[in-house]
Amino acid sequence: QAVVTQESSLTVSPGGTVTLTCGSSTGVVTSEHYPHWFQQKPGQAPRTLIYDTINKHSWTPARFSGSLLGGKGALTLSGAQPEDEADYYCFLFYSGVFVFGGGTRLTVL
Amino acid sequence: EVQLLESGGGLVQPGGSLRLSCAASGFTFSNYAMTWVRQVPGKGLEWVSSIQGNGNNIRYADSVKGRSTISRDNSKNTLYLQMNSVRADDTAVYYCAKGGWGSNFDFWGQGTRVTVSS
Repeated sequence: QAVVTQESSLTVSPGGTVTLTCGSSTGVVTSEHYPHWFQQKPGQAPRTLIYDTINKHSWTPARFSGSLLGGKGALTLSGAQPEDEADYYCFLFYSGVFVFGGGTRLTVL
Repeated sequence: EVQLLESGGGLVQPGGSLRLSCAASGFTFSNYAMTWVRQVPGKGLEWVSSIQGNGNNIRYADSVKGRSTISRDNSKNTLYLQMNSVRADDTAVYYCAKGGWGSNFDFWGQGTRVTVSS
């Protein structure tokens, strides 16, 4: 089974920009992996931020954006806010199954 | 308003069984794939199983394959996960999510906690 890799932790300054990545053990991540990004705060259910690489839901703050970058899926946060401190998970689609990354703990400090 | 409400979690002995349910509302349930995702406390998310809107396409993670059965009753707008021969490593919060093949993931339930212990 494929392994999806994410940074274990990142720190961003308030107002700063940070990029989280989502890599695949099978090689280059493409749009055919339909990368999704989820945000989870302590004690809460996950919330979907980005689907199918770049698409946002109506509730996704404009400061979040998705892309493909350097052969990986990427989530960029521009203008970090204190409320963005959370765990972020990506997942990729592989021939009918979904695999989550291990998650990135983002600290806004 | 889309709502997903899981139930059926609790304490179960190793080797036992339980059935999780997810009652859906606010959308045309039969039109969408649905998915179960679990999370061991303090750990990451793990995809468990997905089922197509018409129930014809079903897939499982290797960790639950052969021990779990996903199903749905579109007349009741409810998703199920039957778990058999449960093990300690099945202890987790189980979330249902709207989405799967052909439809993006958008809404999540609040989860139901399963504890496997004697």
